[in-house]
Amino acid sequence: DGGITQSPKYLFRKEGQNVTLSCEQNLNHDAMYWYRQDPGQGLRLIYYSQIVNDFQKGDIAEGYSVSREKKESFPLTVTSAQKNPTAFYLCASSIQGSAVTQYFGPGTRLLVL
Amino acid sequence: DQQVKQNSPSLSVQEGRISILNCDYTNSMFDYFLWYKKYPAEGPTFLISISSIKDKNEDGRFTVFLNKSAKHLSLHIVPSQPGDSAVYFCAAPRANAGGTSYGKLTFGQGTILTVHP
Repeated sequence: DGGITQSPKYLFRKEGQNVTLSCEQNLNHDAMYWYRQDPGQGLRLIYYSQIVNDFQKGDIAEGYSVSREKKESFPLTVTSAQKNPTAFYLCASSIQGSAVTQYFGPGTRLLVL
Repeated sequence: DQQVKQNSPSLSVQEGRISILNCDYTNSMFDYFLWYKKYPAEGPTFLISISSIKDKNEDGRFTVFLNKSAKHLSLHIVPSQPGDSAVYFCAAPRANAGGTSYGKLTFGQGTILTVHP
């Protein structure tokens, strides 16, 4: 089955710790995205990548980092600089960066211990 | 600046009746709009979209209406079913004088729809 997978489903972070959220897609999509969802708010764009080895900051990139070494993978690292990391993180992809419709993974909920 | 707004946090409807979810936008350069449906602890799924050259798009029980002069769009679900209970987000690709950036979506805050049996 084609789709987007995110792991883990739940992730716990200790103070001062970096954690990495995985996102993999087998849709052969060029573009991938990371969003954050907080209660009562819409999805906010963290980072996006239109092509391998290239990525751009979104609206709330501070405290996060990404890499795009492979077309199918776009991991997100939540660094210790992100002071309010507790949220639901969603990865998405689209055929191209110019495509309108994005397809989302199931999400990862990050909690701080 | 919240360019896409869903002012109703929640909506409760009886099964079989019509659900109307509303969305307002402030950027007159938006030229495409999408609706996504999201169940708890899952990713959003694409539902329906509309281009600004149209004022209506229909797909089965779902119809989206666009009123450009009012900068308003709405999603109608007829008849509503309990399985439609979810959070609904409207979204639009970023747009400015340089053109539309289709890859970057701006989302509304979402409306929680509850359909009662």
